Parts: sequence; structure tokens; C-alpha cells
Amino acid sequence: DQQVKQNSPSLSVQEGRISILNCDYTNSMFDYFLWYKKYPAEGPTFLISISSIKDKNEDGRFTVFLNKSAKHLSLHIVPSQPGDSAVYFCAARRSGNTPLVFGKGTRLSVIA
Amino acid sequence: EPEVTQTPSHQVTQMGQEVILRCVPISNHLYFYWYRQILGQKVEFLVSFYNNEISEKSEIFDDQFSVERPDGSNFTLKIRSTKLEDSAMYFCASSKLRAGLEGEQYFGPGTRLTVT
Repeated sequence: DQQVKQNSPSLSVQEGRISILNCDYTNSMFDYFLWYKKYPAEGPTFLISISSIKDKNEDGRFTVFLNKSAKHLSLHIVPSQPGDSAVYFCAARRSGNTPLVFGKGTRLSVIA
Repeated sequence: EPEVTQTPSHQVTQMGQEVILRCVPISNHLYFYWYRQILGQKVEFLVSFYNNEISEKSEIFDDQFSVERPDGSNFTLKIRSTKLEDSAMYFCASSKLRAGLEGEQYFGPGTRLTVT
């Protein structure tokens, strides 16, 4: 039961270019979406989030776009830096104190 | 910057033994969670805890699992009789408020549990 799907297991991008990571979800009850970054041997680190009432949220080099009708969100990183190389997890939850449902992650490699 | 801490970083145990994984959530957070990630799989929710009781638990969190907040700072996950399939990274997380901007969950570095 994959309620949150990240269909690209890996992505390779040149330094300075844009990285676009995609995520699809199936549960229309989700109303809050988050991106986490994870380095090896560390826990997931919160990156950016978006509520379902918005379609865009920006924080520095990171922008998350939400298309509710398509049940799709994406994370844009621009410009990409070698330090951005990590596994990126998309997560979603329903309203209230509800657990996060994670995607399988996309491994981003930013090549200098 | 405050962070969630977990001990130990790696625990090796024999099948059938009890283990206790420890977490210190961020001090002003009110909601606490345990997740796990089996190697090569996605991060999965186990249990959430608020106001000294379980708020929600997944199918994984069966009678072999229990959580406790024994004092004002620690949050523990106990597995009574470990099985080989319990081998995973266990992540503790905490959040400040129920939802919205303050509802982001902050994760600890994880405890790698290896059951032999």
C-alpha cells in the first residue's frame, strides 16, 4: 500500500543546475506535505513543508510545489550544490497529530 | 540548535532478548514518535505518544512493543522478545504542536538494532 510514491530511486545533477525531485500521493485526506533530507548514518532532517491550502512554498534555494488535483508535489533545489547530495524523502500526513507516511526516497547526487 | 538524541547508536542482541532504545526529545516538544526503517525499505511509523499515553500505533506495534516516558526528558521504546525481523534503524522524533508550521517532526540520528 504505497500512499506516497517517489518513482525515481536516483537522480544525478550537475552543480549549479536545478534539481527536481518528484512525489505522488494517493490519499486525498493528506493535508500536509514535507520533504526530509537524509545523510548516511543520520536521521531524516526536516527541509521544507507545504500545507494543502497552498501551491508553493519557498525557503532559500528550496521550493516545494503542490498540485492537489494531480496529487503531485515536487521539490526544486536551485542552484544545486555538492552538499545537497543525500536521500530525499517525501512525506505526508493528515490533519492533527498524525503519523508521517514516507515515500521510498530519491538519492540525489550533485556532481561538481 | 536543540536536537533529538538517541542512545545507543548501535545495539546488537540475541533473538528473544529484551531491548530498550532510548531517546531524549527536544525539550519543549509535546508529541513523540517512533519510526523504523528496515534496510532498503521506507521509513515506517510505529507509534505516537502525547500526554503520557499512546495516541496512535501501527500494525507493526504489537504486544511485543511498549513505550514509556519514565521522566521529564526520556522517551523509550522496549521490545520484549526480539525477532530477527526487528533488525532495523529505529528513529525517534518529536514535534512541538499538533499541526501546521509547528507540527514538523524532528528526527534523532537513529539506533541501529541488529538481532542475531
